[in-house]
Amino acid sequence: NAGVTQTPKFQVLKTGQSMTLQCAQDMNHEYMSWYRQDPGMGLRLIHYSVGAGITDQGEVPNGYNVSRSTTEDFPLRLLSAAPSQTSVYFCASSRSWGQGSGTEAFFGQGTRLTVV
Amino acid sequence: KNQVEQSPQSLIILEGKNCTLQCNYTVSPFSNLRWYKQDTGRGPVSLTIMTFSENTKSNGRYTATLDADTKQSSLHITASQLSDSASYICVVSGSMDSNYQLIWGAGTKLIIKP
Repeated sequence: NAGVTQTPKFQVLKTGQSMTLQCAQDMNHEYMSWYRQDPGMGLRLIHYSVGAGITDQGEVPNGYNVSRSTTEDFPLRLLSAAPSQTSVYFCASSRSWGQGSGTEAFFGQGTRLTVV
Repeated sequence: KNQVEQSPQSLIILEGKNCTLQCNYTVSPFSNLRWYKQDTGRGPVSLTIMTFSENTKSNGRYTATLDADTKQSSLHITASQLSDSASYICVVSGSMDSNYQLIWGAGTKLIIKP
């Protein structure tokens, strides 16, 4: 099993450009999520999905869109990149909804995004 | 406000020594607490998940403790190895507005020196 695969690993964008960060998992997990990690701060939830066709906003959703057309894929779209979106982005998946249930979350290797 | 605070921010110890990392939280209601290890340039990897009723949980040389009354947790690493160099992140899960949420600490950066 590959687990959670994110692409690309590194990306530089100019302000105003758009792009899609890809995330795929091969574990048939229902729950997928996107986080950003900034220096000195904990991971912050951007968007999440509890199953195909269902998405919802997390703590910091502005400037990002998601869709979940299949169980496997959960792409994150930056509509118009801003320097404040410079960060490391992680995709995660877990077997079921309800992180409170104690279900382990598996993370991708991350995408380091720089917006200039 | 729901928060998770970790200490110290960073720690340097010699290979073979033990160390303890601290986590204090104010998340309520509490569901479970997790410790993750994050190597540089990689995603977090789960070490332990502890529920309200668990006081101690071990995973090899890693032992996590939880005191739900004082809202404190610790991660003890025994006989450290160079591969233990990483950030260790405490994450608390709570139920807010009928949804479970994860509150992430900023992590403790651990450096093991030979």
